[in-house]
Amino acid sequence: SQQGEEDPQALSIQEGENATMNCSYKTSINNLQWYRQNSGRGLVHLILIRSNEREKHSGRLRVTLDTSKKSSSLLITASRAADTASYFCATEGDSSYKLIFGSGTRLLVRP
Amino acid sequence: GAVVSQHPSRVICKSGTSVKIECRSLDFQATTMFWYRQFPKQSLMLMATSNEGSKATYEQGVEKDKFLINHASLTLSTLTVTSAHPEDSSFYICSASRQNNGYTFGSGTRLTVV
Repeated sequence: SQQGEEDPQALSIQEGENATMNCSYKTSINNLQWYRQNSGRGLVHLILIRSNEREKHSGRLRVTLDTSKKSSSLLITASRAADTASYFCATEGDSSYKLIFGSGTRLLVRP
Repeated sequence: GAVVSQHPSRVICKSGTSVKIECRSLDFQATTMFWYRQFPKQSLMLMATSNEGSKATYEQGVEKDKFLINHASLTLSTLTVTSAHPEDSSFYICSASRQNNGYTFGSGTRLTVV
């Protein structure tokens, strides 16, 4: 099963620019998490935001959560070529303990 | 920190054979483990959730007789793809959780069925 959609599906930006990815989900959640995946590799946990939080920061990452719209956004500021990867949101529902992933955004940061 | 080891990282098998993938939590006891599959350029799809000592709970559309999951101990879960076919070729990733306190992912297994 898949929770929701992410947009854009693909994003190409110049190094130094900001990248914004959006995630929408369908059910009530306990928390929402963002992960990064380099091509053909495992997942790296980036940040977790709880359902009672609206915004969270971690280094160059900023995540927002709007539970009324069932949506979240991930902002990467001052992007670097090393940020090139796929980014996924994942939700943990409030009635079941498991992570359901969104469709993902493929980010390309051009040097 | 919590570490999950997944083995093998790559496997090629012939059509009709079975393949076993192992997922181990190295420094914690994983009360719950999860198995995902991922097709190229697509997202991770949850296949099943397993709790130690009990039968796995499969997501809708996942054939439990095709994908056998065993979670016999608090540190080991295995996924066996039985009678593999080329369409089973995919990237399989496990995740382990300690008492519903966060998720740690393995590095994945790329299965190619020829």
